[in-house]
Amino acid sequence: KAGVTQTPRYLIKTRGQQVTLSCSPISGHRSVSWYQQTPGQGLQFLFEYFSETQRNKGNFPGRFSGRQFSNSRSEMNVSTLELGDSALYLCASSLQGTSFEQYFGPGTRLTVT
Amino acid sequence: KNEVEQSPQNLTAQEGEFITINCSYSVGISALHWLQQHPGGGIVSLFMLSSGKKKHGRLIATINIQEKHSSLHITASHPRDSAVYICAVYNTDKLIFGTGTRLQVFP
Repeated sequence: KAGVTQTPRYLIKTRGQQVTLSCSPISGHRSVSWYQQTPGQGLQFLFEYFSETQRNKGNFPGRFSGRQFSNSRSEMNVSTLELGDSALYLCASSLQGTSFEQYFGPGTRLTVT
Repeated sequence: KNEVEQSPQNLTAQEGEFITINCSYSVGISALHWLQQHPGGGIVSLFMLSSGKKKHGRLIATINIQEKHSSLHITASHPRDSAVYICAVYNTDKLIFGTGTRLQVFP
């Protein structure tokens, strides 16, 4: 089976812009979770989608949003980018959710200048 | 205080040594994950456990739910084990991560 893929792998944006990141889960996986990793805060949970519904959300401002499509592919969007949004954004898929084994994608490294 | 604490933060070892990484948590959990992150960012799930002990090759993970503590052991460590090891607990429908343990194994 193909692994979790994320596009793009690297991205440079300017403050105030918006960005959309994409995640394709392993075939058959219905849960996609998104995480932000920064040197200062480490890994933090953003949100989880299951069967096109957001099932859970972490403590991030409303500028961070996401969605999941019927084929389980997911996108996350960050609007009005701030310098502090520079991070590695990881998605992970699993069969049923975050209490199940997670399969991580390679991440998208976002740099905001 | 962080809800998930790992120790040590950094660890160096000689090839062949037995390694232990500890994870303590202060919240109720239904599962605990051990993750491995190599330079470049890729994360691999090593174990998911909710009780007892699991073994995979040279890796062993244990959890004591009453004491809210888990350990990851690496037997006969090898330079390719050099990575950051992250403990994550499943609490109220989300994962909470420890800050990670950076392991370097020298030949």
